[in-house]
Amino acid sequence: AQSVTQLGSHVSVSEGALVLLRCNYSSSVPPYLFWYVQYPNQGLQLLLKYTSAATLVKGINDFEAEFKKSETSFHLTKPSAHMSDAAEYFCAVTTSGTYKYIFGTGTRLKVLA
Amino acid sequence: DGGITQSPKYLFRKEGQNVTLSCEQNLNHDAMYWYRQDPGQGLRLIYYSQIVNDFQKGDIAEGYSVSREKKESFPLTVTSAQKNPTAFYLCASSTGPSNTEAFFGQGTRLTVV
Repeated sequence: AQSVTQLGSHVSVSEGALVLLRCNYSSSVPPYLFWYVQYPNQGLQLLLKYTSAATLVKGINDFEAEFKKSETSFHLTKPSAHMSDAAEYFCAVTTSGTYKYIFGTGTRLKVLA
Repeated sequence: DGGITQSPKYLFRKEGQNVTLSCEQNLNHDAMYWYRQDPGQGLRLIYYSQIVNDFQKGDIAEGYSVSREKKESFPLTVTSAQKNPTAFYLCASSTGPSNTEAFFGQGTRLTVV
C-alpha cells in the first residue's frame, strides 16, 4: 500500500524567500508523485508530476520538485515566494495499475509581506 | 472547455435528510472519484469508479452511496446514516491506471444543520 507524509501542516515564509514544502512517500513499487495547490473553497490544481522520467520536475509558476528514491522524498521548492503563492499544497502518490490516488494531509503556506 | 462540473457549490440540509451531490465531466475519462476534505485531514477517498456501472468503496464509504450509469456522471448521495456529513466534497476524474494526474472539480460545501 502507498502512503504520503507531509511534514509541517503550516509553513510561513517571507515574500521573496525560498519555499520548501516536504513530502515523503511509501510505496513497494515505483511511484508516480504529484503536487497540487488548492485556494480557499476551490478544487485542486496540478502543479507538477513525477512519472519516472527526469528526477527533477519543473511545474507551473516556477515550482519544482526532485524525486529522491534513496530518501523516499519528493519535496516542493520555489526560489522566491510571491504573495499569490499563499494556499494549501497537497502531495499525492499513485502507482501503475491502480486507480487510487493517496493524498497527504496538506501544508498551508503563508507568505509574509 | 473540458472539465469537471460540481453542483451546487454550497448546499444546506437538515439533519436526517439524504442529499445528492452532482458531478459531471466532459474529459472522456473512464475513472471518477469522490473525496471528502476536512481541515487537517487532507483528502479521504469515499468511492471511485473505474468504468460505467462499476464502483468500489474507498476508505470512508459508510453513509454514502454512488451510481455510475453514464461515463460522464458520478453522483454522490450523502445518506442520513453518515454521522458527520458537514464537509467539503471534491469530485475528480482520470484516464485510468496510468501515470496521469487526477483532474478536480471546484467542490461542493455541504452543511448539515
